[in-house]
Amino acid sequence: AQSVTQLGSHVSVSEGALVLLRCNYSSSVPPYLFWYVQYPNQGLQLLLKYTTGATLVKGINGFEAEFKKSETSFHLTKPSAHMSDAAEYFCAVSVGDMRFGAGTRLTVKP
Amino acid sequence: DGGITQSPKYLFRKEGQNVTLSCEQNLNHDAMYWYRQDPGQGLRLIYYSQIVNDFQKGDIAEGYSVSREKKESFPLTVTSAQKNPTAFYLCASSSLPGRDDYEQYFGPGTRLTVT
Repeated sequence: AQSVTQLGSHVSVSEGALVLLRCNYSSSVPPYLFWYVQYPNQGLQLLLKYTTGATLVKGINGFEAEFKKSETSFHLTKPSAHMSDAAEYFCAVSVGDMRFGAGTRLTVKP
Repeated sequence: DGGITQSPKYLFRKEGQNVTLSCEQNLNHDAMYWYRQDPGQGLRLIYYSQIVNDFQKGDIAEGYSVSREKKESFPLTVTSAQKNPTAFYLCASSSLPGRDDYEQYFGPGTRLTVT
């Protein structure tokens, strides 16, 4: 069965700084990988996904993630944080059904 | 405008009452899902359905029931048997898993408070 671990339940960065949210997965077969964002009291919105092909995936709002099979990782990055990026971020892995990480709350300081 | 609707946004009930949460999608998706979200625990799968008139239990199905009489609709009933029903409930839909276009689309959620 697949699983996903998000390292760090809270991450705080200054506006303009690099955002790095970590995600490691476990799967016996090549998985599909996803990052979702959730703003307070709202549903989840897809940021980006990896299925096959190019390992560097670009998403919305300037986010990107790189699939590294050797490290079983799918970390999410953004070069320069904006105040509007403050939200909760979920990594998910799918081989058949979808499994979500526990989430990382991103705070952006002015 | 395609999407998923959940109603109501906020729901209050007394302990011991059953309550039904609505979920409708017009994305023509075959699969639909119900998740429960509690602070610090991510999303936990309650039930899912990949075809009309069929559904499967997820990780935390006890105290919940669902139906799938129409492709567009997947209502969730929180029964009085659910010991701790206060939570944020999210409905999602998708194409069938394994397809290249597979991703789950989420509704806005229903926050249920039981006192």
